[in-house]
Amino acid sequence: EVRLVESGGVVVQPGGSLRLSCAASGFTFDDYTMHWVRQPPGKGLEWVSLITWDGGTTHYPDSVRGRFTISRDNSKNSLYLQMNSLTTEDTAFYYCAKGTADPLYFDYWGQGTLVTVSS
Amino acid sequence: EIVLTQSPATLSLSPGERASLSCRASQTVSSNFLAWYQQKPGQAPRLLIYGAFNRATGIPDRFSGSGSGTDFTLTITRLDPDDFAVYYCQLYGTSPMYTFGQGTKLEIK
Repeated sequence: EVRLVESGGVVVQPGGSLRLSCAASGFTFDDYTMHWVRQPPGKGLEWVSLITWDGGTTHYPDSVRGRFTISRDNSKNSLYLQMNSLTTEDTAFYYCAKGTADPLYFDYWGQGTLVTVSS
Repeated sequence: EIVLTQSPATLSLSPGERASLSCRASQTVSSNFLAWYQQKPGQAPRLLIYGAFNRATGIPDRFSGSGSGTDFTLTITRLDPDDFAVYYCQLYGTSPMYTFGQGTKLEIK
């Protein structure tokens, strides 16, 4: 059974930094592209980043590029998201998601971790 | 950047009825790159349909996807009480970029 468990969500002040983690199990982690997707409470979904199977390639939308960094440790079956220069606009549930083999879609998701940016 | 517009924002139906949810792209897209997700309150999204027509693993056959070009539809026949949720369409684009529609809430009438 595929399992993704996020952690690290807390309340942080504007301008602060935070690192999220995602522990993966139930599949061959280093075979797949992995993603972070976020959702402000009560709102829609926004893709935040991807990292290829070997960590060699990363991509971000304009909204987080230069502030967020995705990384992975295949020896630990773990995915990370380093978030810097946080603003209130970054308040959201952050989901770790497994990419499909293509990788065009997200076929498994974690339960999410809540990041609140507030003074 | 391609924008996905879902309609209606809210759809009120009764169990046993048929639901049709629309996702319109701002320009022509490949059906290979279009997916649908279901999200229930307090839960993560779940992949329902990929490649516009293909059901994901374990998805009942009352869920079906159709469409091409700019217009795509998720159809749910014979609504089950468990189907009332928010549904999102998602598009894979070049760069790469992953775009979601704003969602349609399917509520019990």
